[in-house]
This record gives sequence, C-alpha cells and structure tokens, in this order.
Amino acid sequence: SQTIHQWPATLVQPVGSPLSLECTVEGTSNPNLYWYRQAAGRGLQLLFYSVGIGQISSEVPQNLSASRPQDRQFILSSKKLLLSDSGFYLCAWSGRGGTSYEQYFGPGTRLTVT
Amino acid sequence: EDKVVQSPLSLVVHEGDTVTLNCSYEVTNFRSLLWYKQEKKAPTFLFMLTSSGIEKKSGRLSSILDKKELFSILNITATQTGDSAIYLCAVPSLSGGGADGLTFGKGTHLIIQP
Repeated sequence: SQTIHQWPATLVQPVGSPLSLECTVEGTSNPNLYWYRQAAGRGLQLLFYSVGIGQISSEVPQNLSASRPQDRQFILSSKKLLLSDSGFYLCAWSGRGGTSYEQYFGPGTRLTVT
Repeated sequence: EDKVVQSPLSLVVHEGDTVTLNCSYEVTNFRSLLWYKQEKKAPTFLFMLTSSGIEKKSGRLSSILDKKELFSILNITATQTGDSAIYLCAVPSLSGGGADGLTFGKGTHLIIQP
C-alpha cells in the first residue's frame, strides 16, 4: 500500500530564516505530487504541483519554491521566511492519467514564523 | 476561476442527530467532486462523485451529486462524537500541466456533542 511521509511535523522559525520541508511517497511510481498550504481561516490552497522529476508548476506567486529531485521526493523551500508563510503545509500524491482525481495527503507540517 | 462554497461553515449537533453538509461549485471543466474529512492533521478521502443522482455510501455517510444545479450534499446519520471534524469539498481544476490540483471550499466544522 502507498504511504506518504512529511517532516518535520512542527517547526518554529524566525522571519528571514530559510525553510526546507520534505515529502516522500512509498508504494507507488510516477505519482503526481502537490504542495498545499492551509492558513488560519482559509481553505487549502494549492502552491505547487509536479508531474515528474525536475518538473514543477507554481499556482500562486510567493517567496516559496519547490523541487523534485527524485521520483517520489518533493521538497518545499524558502530562502527567507515571511510572517505570512505561517500555516499548515500538506503534501499530497495522486496517480497518473485517466480518472485518478483522488489525492492522498501526508500528515502535514505546522510552520510558525515568529 | 474555479470556486467551491460550503455551508454551513460550522455546525453543532447532538449525538444521534442526522446532518446534511452542502457544497456548491463553479468549475470550467467539471470532472468530479471529492469529499474529505479532516480531523487534527491530514484530510482523509471519503468520496469521489462523477455522475448525477448516484449515491455513494460508506456506513453512516452518504453523498450525492447534482450536476444540473452544481451542488453536492454529504449526509451523516446517527452521528457520533468521532464524526467531529472539518469536512472539505473539492473539485479538480485543470492546471494544464498534466496534473489537476484541487480547489477546496473552506470546509464545514462539525461538532458532535455527547
């Protein structure tokens, strides 16, 4: 069966510091991968998605970036965090093609920027 | 821009009650509608609906889609305290890159009192 891991689970970082959040998927090959953010009082917002190694698309302009160095690894980064980057970050995967619209989420990272 | 609106935003009922959660959507190219349950961490997948009028059922939970009126409902009968959660509705939004990010509503925060 498929499993998705995220770490760290919680993180407190000062404004201006760098960020690296990691997501890995097990039990599937060639998944589509996604990063979402859930901020207080707002719905889940898609940040990035990837259909393959090195292929990243961004949905919203921001000071975050994403990378996919391996098929089942997805990384979310920032060079300098802003207060507005605080939130709950969720990684998700879905199958390729057809009608595989279901996405399955990792446990999330709660980021507080102080 | 695709849009998902859920109502009510919060709901408090007593154990044993039946609840109906609503989701309306506007989407350029409808493929499906998904329901998720979010407790403290990651959303967990409940249902995917693609056809009007066909009820999906899992235990005390059921859901149905109306593609003409552009809405879906999620019913929970004989509620239990373990049903307390945020229920999220989402539609795949065509991202143009071979992966479909989900556009989420803000969710319905359901609280079941003993």
